[in-house]
Amino acid sequence: EVELLESGGGFVQPGGSLRLSCAASGFTFSSHTLSWVRQAPGRGLEWVSFISASGGDTYYADSVKGRFTNSRDNFKDTLYLQMNSLRAEDTAVYYCAQGGSTSSIYNSWGQGILVTVSS
Amino acid sequence: EIVLTQSPATLSLSPGERATLSCRASQSVSNYLAWYQQRPGQPPRLLIYDASNRATGIPARFSGSGSRTDFTLTISSLEPEDFAVYYCQQRSNWPITFGQGTRLEIK
Repeated sequence: EVELLESGGGFVQPGGSLRLSCAASGFTFSSHTLSWVRQAPGRGLEWVSFISASGGDTYYADSVKGRFTNSRDNFKDTLYLQMNSLRAEDTAVYYCAQGGSTSSIYNSWGQGILVTVSS
Repeated sequence: EIVLTQSPATLSLSPGERATLSCRASQSVSNYLAWYQQRPGQPPRLLIYDASNRATGIPARFSGSGSRTDFTLTISSLEPEDFAVYYCQQRSNWPITFGQGTRLEIK
């Protein structure tokens, strides 16, 4: 059974940094793309970032480009999202989502982790 | 950026009725469109991918159709657990985008 477990969320002041982790199990980690998707309180889903299976390719939403870095460790089966220069509008539940070998069809999702940016 | 517009925003139906949800893309996404269901407090769940393919374990009452810019998710006979929010998602172009969601509520 696929499991994705996010951690590292919490409360941070504007301008601060956080690093989210997503520990994976139940599938061949290095064979799947992964993405981060977020959901602000009471709002819809917003795609944040994609990383290819090898980690060689990444894409970002314009709203986070230059501030967030998506990376993965295929030996530790873990996905990361380094978030810098955080803003109030980054407040959301962040999900990691498993894609296909090359696609962004999200078969499995973590339970999500809340990030709150506030002074 | 491809904008996905879902309609209606809210759909009020009774169990046993048929639900038809729409997703319209601002430009062609070919068939690279997926549908997700999200229940309160839960992550999204993949229902349909590539416009018309049911994901593993999804009941046959869920079906998807459409291509290019116009897509439909149909639930043939609503069960109590189907009342939730539904999102469409395109993966044709970067950035990946989601529709704003359709809330399916009990009438």
